[in-house]
Amino acid sequence: EPEVTQTPSHQVTQMGQEVILRCVPISNHLYFYWYRQILGQKVEFLVSFYNNEISEKSEIFDDQFSVERPDGSNFTLKIRSTKLEDSAMYFCASSEALSGGAGETQYFGPGTRLLVL
Amino acid sequence: AQSVTQPDIHITVSEGASLELRCNYSYGATPYLFWYVQSPGQGLQLLLKYFSGDTLVQGIKGFEAEFKRSQSSFNLRKPSVHWSDAAEYFCAVAPRGGSYIPTFGRGTSLIVHP
Repeated sequence: EPEVTQTPSHQVTQMGQEVILRCVPISNHLYFYWYRQILGQKVEFLVSFYNNEISEKSEIFDDQFSVERPDGSNFTLKIRSTKLEDSAMYFCASSEALSGGAGETQYFGPGTRLLVL
Repeated sequence: AQSVTQPDIHITVSEGASLELRCNYSYGATPYLFWYVQSPGQGLQLLLKYFSGDTLVQGIKGFEAEFKRSQSSFNLRKPSVHWSDAAEYFCAVAPRGGSYIPTFGRGTSLIVHP
């Protein structure tokens, strides 16, 4: 069964450093998402991406964050200058194109655990 | 704004016992409803979803959930729990139409005793 993959599984960085989290969505999916889960808290939506542009973003997704689909398979989340509060598990997800109003199901990757020191 | 409440932070059951995890939502119209499971070190795996039709939904791993409109609930059930079911369970809702971005509950941690 196809699945979403993410690298690295863990990353430790110093405050102020840039990090890039990578995701390979399911190959025929067209919608891509990033979520984060701070330890012990809810999974929170960050951003959705379709047709090479951001389609929706939450208030968490400020100017420190950016997303990119640099090629036909990868989808990346960049944090330009990490803060302590960016420490969290970051999940990538993907979904097929919307069809007939039937809704869509998002398939999640295993996550990247980011620790900012 | 839509919200999801999972009132139980932890649930402990014995292996072989039945299970019910509660989920209530607050939303103007009936949303799409999902249950996800997160095993230690793993990502979120979709257990089941409700879009329309039969209000009793069957999922993977022997789970089922029942949508009750009058109670704004979507409780997850399993008749006989296995030790491998120990995990974090998340209920989520997504609006019909638009972006379908889900809102997640805080999660319920299931502990299974042998």
